[in-house]
Amino acid sequence: GAGVSQSPSNKVTEKGKDVELRCDPISGHTALYWYRQSLGQGLEFLIYFQGNSAPDKSGLPSDRFSAERTGGSVSTLTIQRTQQEDSAVYLCASSPARNYGYTFGSGTRLTVV
Amino acid sequence: AQRVTQPEKLLSVFKGAPVELKCNYSYSGSPELFWYVQYSRQRLQLLLRHISRESIKGFTADLNKGETSFHLKKPFAQEEDSAMYYCALSGRDSGYALNFGKGTSLLVTP
Repeated sequence: GAGVSQSPSNKVTEKGKDVELRCDPISGHTALYWYRQSLGQGLEFLIYFQGNSAPDKSGLPSDRFSAERTGGSVSTLTIQRTQQEDSAVYLCASSPARNYGYTFGSGTRLTVV
Repeated sequence: AQRVTQPEKLLSVFKGAPVELKCNYSYSGSPELFWYVQYSRQRLQLLLRHISRESIKGFTADLNKGETSFHLKKPFAQEEDSAMYYCALSGRDSGYALNFGKGTSLLVTP
């Protein structure tokens, strides 16, 4: 596609429910990143996929968070047993190679009530 | 440990005035530095990469390894420059994932 696509754009969920956020990167981009953007906290790195290498999960805040990338393309970020502190905008980005500029999606705004 | 510091949360300047958004970093090796911008209701986008040594929308940024800084500058601010600006660092220590500062909100008033 022409850009990075994320869905849904908005998600309201009840505390304790699981949610799945989807990211379609730019075709051919080998690197894919997930970040979380909270008011006053800037962008917090979550996880990074590079080609067929094992993902860098060092930014995931707890074991309730997981992500996968199927076929080197689409990625899904899953949050289990959501908590109110999980409310944020979740951003996905892709790049053609590491150390290259990222192209960001428009994000998924998650609200946990 | 690597860290990116943007000391100003908010910077307000008049149209036509020079603007400098500060960014300081700590990193033991050779980092790659970037500036990203997010205009109101738009997605985050790349503005500059230090290795490109380019000027985008009149903005420039010079990597000063001695002062560990990568300040963003523009000689004459325009109202359309009002946005959120993020400085970011990439390096081997982070597996090359970008480490962002908390951002500076630039407001250019007429």
